[in-house]
Amino acid sequence: AQSVTQLDSQVPVFEEAPVELRCNYSSSVSVYLFWYVQYPNQGLQLLLKYLSGSTLVKGINGFEAEFNKSQTSFHLRKPSVHISDTAEYFCVVGATSGTYKYIFGTGTRLKVLA
Amino acid sequence: DAGVIQSPRHEVTEMGQEVTLRCKPISGHDYLFWYRQTMMRGLELLIYFNNNVPIDDSGMPEDRFSAKMPNASFSTLKIQPSEPRDSAVYFCASGGGSGNQPQHFGDGTRLSIL
Repeated sequence: AQSVTQLDSQVPVFEEAPVELRCNYSSSVSVYLFWYVQYPNQGLQLLLKYLSGSTLVKGINGFEAEFNKSQTSFHLRKPSVHISDTAEYFCVVGATSGTYKYIFGTGTRLKVLA
Repeated sequence: DAGVIQSPRHEVTEMGQEVTLRCKPISGHDYLFWYRQTMMRGLELLIYFNNNVPIDDSGMPEDRFSAKMPNASFSTLKIQPSEPRDSAVYFCASGGGSGNQPQHFGDGTRLSIL
């Protein structure tokens, strides 16, 4: 079984400052990892994914995440945020075999302040 | 390339009425998922299909909920009779192949049961 923990429910940050959204997971099998973003009144949009290979993954809108197997973490980062990055961010775990089900974190609400 | 299309976007109805939510997945995707999102419970997987066949319906809350996928391009989620606690945003997602293919989400149906 897998589980996902997003350590911060809300993160306020000033515009042009860096941000890190934290995600830890546990799993008895190898996993795929994803970050999705949800803007108000919209569905979830894929930001980036880790399947295998390089542990630093780059996504859309200037976001990146680093897979750390020893710490079972997959933190999301952006060096300089914009007002338009205000949204909810979900860390997601999927098993590499056996099922196509996702396990969602509880979400982190990023609020970018002017 | 059209994404996942859900209808209606908003539905307001009275308790006891039948509600039908509709989803058109991305062409070529052979997995389809129904999720429910609430403030209290976050994102919950209700049911998913592979090649039009229900694979896992363990998330369906009770017998009032049913889902069908009569063909590869259409699925419905039905609630009969509806109750106020069913109020939520319902998302449909589709995916292709296997777990390394990210799920693509529709914009959701915001359901309010009065």
